[in-house]
Amino acid sequence: AQTVTQSQPEMSVQEAETVTLSCTYDTSENNYYLFWYKQPPSRQMILVIRQEAYKQQNATENRFSVNFQKAAKSFSLKISDSQLGDTAMYFCAFIHNFNKFYFGSGTKLNVKP
Amino acid sequence: EAGVAQSPRYKIIEKRQSVAFWCNPISGHATLYWYQQILGQGPKLLIQFQNNGVVDDSQLPKDRFSAERLKGVDSTLKIQPAKLEDSAVYLCASSSPTALALETQYFGPGTRLLVL
Repeated sequence: AQTVTQSQPEMSVQEAETVTLSCTYDTSENNYYLFWYKQPPSRQMILVIRQEAYKQQNATENRFSVNFQKAAKSFSLKISDSQLGDTAMYFCAFIHNFNKFYFGSGTKLNVKP
Repeated sequence: EAGVAQSPRYKIIEKRQSVAFWCNPISGHATLYWYQQILGQGPKLLIQFQNNGVVDDSQLPKDRFSAERLKGVDSTLKIQPAKLEDSAVYLCASSSPTALALETQYFGPGTRLLVL
């Protein structure tokens, strides 16, 4: 069975600093996709970044980048130059072969001015 | 392109009452999902449709929850009768598996349900 674990329930970072959110997963599959979603307070969930497991190169989207370690089954999200608007819940998610999404329990990120 | 639409945005009901939520996915998206998100937790899949067929409803409490997707477009999720523990945000998402989309799910704004 697939599981996704986010071991940091809550984190804080100063504005303009860098923060890394951790995510580990468990699967016996070789081809799958990983995602980070952001859910601001009382707002809808939006996609931050995605990674295909067969790609060795880490995905980047502006200030967001991932460190994908397939052998270690680790998929961390790095946010550079943190902004107040980055304050949100962040969910790591996994999907394989058009099957259902598995979400982690989330990390609450608070960006302080 | 329009996003996933959901209504109502908020609903307050008494326990044992019935409630229904509506979702309109992104045009052309064949797959539709309903999630339950309890405060402080990640979303839990309730049911997944592929067109108008059910792919996975293993975590749907079928004694009180039901969902349908007639004509493979809009979907409704119903709770009858509601319990206190059903208080949550109900999220609808849709996806269209293509090489470009990479099975990405797009979420609606959610319906926040409070059962008193």
